[in-house]
Amino acid sequence: NAGVTQTPKFQVLKTGQSMTLQCAQDMNHEYMSWYRQDPGMGLRLIHYSVGAGITDQGEVPNGYNVSRSTTEDFPLRLLSAAPSQTSVYFCASSYSDREYNEQFFGPGTRLTVL
Amino acid sequence: AQKVTQAQTEISVVEKEDVTLDCVYETRDTTYYLFWYKQPPSGELVFLIRRNSFDEQNEISGRYSWNFQKSTSSFNFTITASQVVDSAVYFCALSEEGGSQGNLIFGKGTKLSVKP
Repeated sequence: NAGVTQTPKFQVLKTGQSMTLQCAQDMNHEYMSWYRQDPGMGLRLIHYSVGAGITDQGEVPNGYNVSRSTTEDFPLRLLSAAPSQTSVYFCASSYSDREYNEQFFGPGTRLTVL
Repeated sequence: AQKVTQAQTEISVVEKEDVTLDCVYETRDTTYYLFWYKQPPSGELVFLIRRNSFDEQNEISGRYSWNFQKSTSSFNFTITASQVVDSAVYFCALSEEGGSQGNLIFGKGTKLSVKP
């Protein structure tokens, strides 16, 4: 199993550009989520999905869109990149949305917005 | 309001010293889970332990041990005889039964540096 994979690993954007961060998992997990990690802030939840076709907002959703058309994939779209979105983005998955499930994290995408 | 507090931003120790990383949490739920994750310099997040709110037994795994005390809402992590490979950022996290489905609430992390 590859686990949770994310692409790209690094990305530099200019303000106003759009892009999609890819996330895929091969563990047949129902629950997937996106976090951003900023220095001194820990990880904060952006969006999550409890299954194909179902998504919801987390703590910091503004400026991001998600969709979940398959169980395996959960892309994160930046509509119009801003310098405040410079961060490390982690995708995670778990068997279900129950609070006891361990979440498996991808390797992260380091995004810089100039 | 922040629900997981890791008051120690950075800790530096010399190899073979014992070190304790503090974690204090806040929740109104009676059912919740606490987690510790390690983030080494390579950047990935590594799951270390999960503890549910009904199990206050301390846990020991090799050089790692965890002390869960509901009375003080703390879930502290001790590394015995630290090694250079323990250098990482450590995150404590909370998952509540009544919270956003599956949402992990992270502390801000404690950066541990172990010097040879």
